[in-house]
Amino acid sequence: AQSVTQLGSHVSVSEGALVLLRCNYSSSVPPYLFWYVQYPNQGLQLLLKYTSAATLVKGINGFEAEFKKSETSFHLTKPSAHMSDAAEYFCAVSEASGYSTLTFGKGTMLLVSP
Amino acid sequence: DGGITQSPKYLFRKEGQNVTLSCEQNLNHDAMYWYRQDPGQGLRLIYYSQIVNDFQKGDIAEGYSVSREKKESFPLTVTSAQKNPTAFYLCASTRTKHTEAFFGQGTRLTVV
Repeated sequence: AQSVTQLGSHVSVSEGALVLLRCNYSSSVPPYLFWYVQYPNQGLQLLLKYTSAATLVKGINGFEAEFKKSETSFHLTKPSAHMSDAAEYFCAVSEASGYSTLTFGKGTMLLVSP
Repeated sequence: DGGITQSPKYLFRKEGQNVTLSCEQNLNHDAMYWYRQDPGQGLRLIYYSQIVNDFQKGDIAEGYSVSREKKESFPLTVTSAQKNPTAFYLCASTRTKHTEAFFGQGTRLTVV
């Protein structure tokens, strides 16, 4: 069975500081991994995805994530936070064999202060 | 523009009533999904459908029903059997398995 753990329900950073949102996954087979962003009362928007190609994945809005198999992690980073990055972020996993649906973590709310 | 349309955006229901949430997509995606979102709970899968006239229960299907009569449409009915229906409901679709999901803007259901 697959699962996702996001460490920290809330993360606070100052504008211009490094953003690091943590995601660890559990999967019995090679996974596909995704990061989504959600603004209040809206749907989810894909930030980036890992599908077994390069382990360092670049996404939209300056975000990137690195797949580390040995650590079963897929942490999301951005070098310099912007006020517009304040939102909720979800990590999701899908197993790469058979048909499996996306399993989401519980989300991390990113707060950005001036 | 292609996308997923959910309607209505806000919905109020009296206890004991059934209510249907609409989800339509023009992306020509095969698979469609319904998720429920509660604060601090992430997204939980209610039902999904890979092809027309076929669907499977997700993790929290009790009190919900769906149909998939057309590829473009996947309505969700919240029945009176759902004990705590107040939540934000999200519809999504994928082109094939393992590709990224595209989401609608959600419907916020409140039981009054």
